[in-house]
Amino acid sequence: AQSVTQPDIHITVSEGASLELRCNYSYGATPYLFWYVQSPGQGLQLLLKYFSGDTLVQGIKGFEAEFKRSQSSFNLRKPSVHWSDAAEYFCAVGPFSGGYNKLIFGAGTRLAVHP
Amino acid sequence: DTAVSQTPKYLVTQMGNDKSIKCEQNLGHDTMYWYKQDSKKFLKIMFSYNNKELIINETVPNRFSPKSPDKAHLNLHINSLELGDSAVYFCASSQRLDNEQFFGPGTRLTVL
Repeated sequence: AQSVTQPDIHITVSEGASLELRCNYSYGATPYLFWYVQSPGQGLQLLLKYFSGDTLVQGIKGFEAEFKRSQSSFNLRKPSVHWSDAAEYFCAVGPFSGGYNKLIFGAGTRLAVHP
Repeated sequence: DTAVSQTPKYLVTQMGNDKSIKCEQNLGHDTMYWYKQDSKKFLKIMFSYNNKELIINETVPNRFSPKSPDKAHLNLHINSLELGDSAVYFCASSQRLDNEQFFGPGTRLTVL
């Protein structure tokens, strides 16, 4: 069955430090992969996506992610974290079942940023 | 300017009541979705509509009935509300079935 695992429930980093959020997926074919961010009390905002091509994708707010097929991973990175990056981050994979984009989400990683 | 909007933002109601949540997108997308986010922040799809046609129904209790009057709207009606229905409900839309999804701000439903 398709699934997404985010191993880290909660991560705390200092402002200015680098960040890597892990995401592993289980899917039989080449997946579409997404990272969304949810700020407190807000909806989900798409940070970046991977459909095909270059395995290193750039997103908004200085984030990037690298698709590694051999490791079934799509880890999110940022070289220098800002206090405003504190939020919940969700990795998602799709589509399935004949192309229907039923996103499967990971459980999320809550990022806290120390000043 | 709002791409995907939902009303209301907050909904507090008693068990057994019937309530509706409305969703509208002004992106010209063909496909719309409803997701449920539980208290542990876990997001799961409930329904998907493409061109007003139900595509995905993820074994949601039949107390939940989506209705799509046109491509820009997908409403969610819930009958006989239960405590376990308390969650944040997100509407989303995509241009096609295999495109990225854009999410609304969510509706926090609290059943007392």
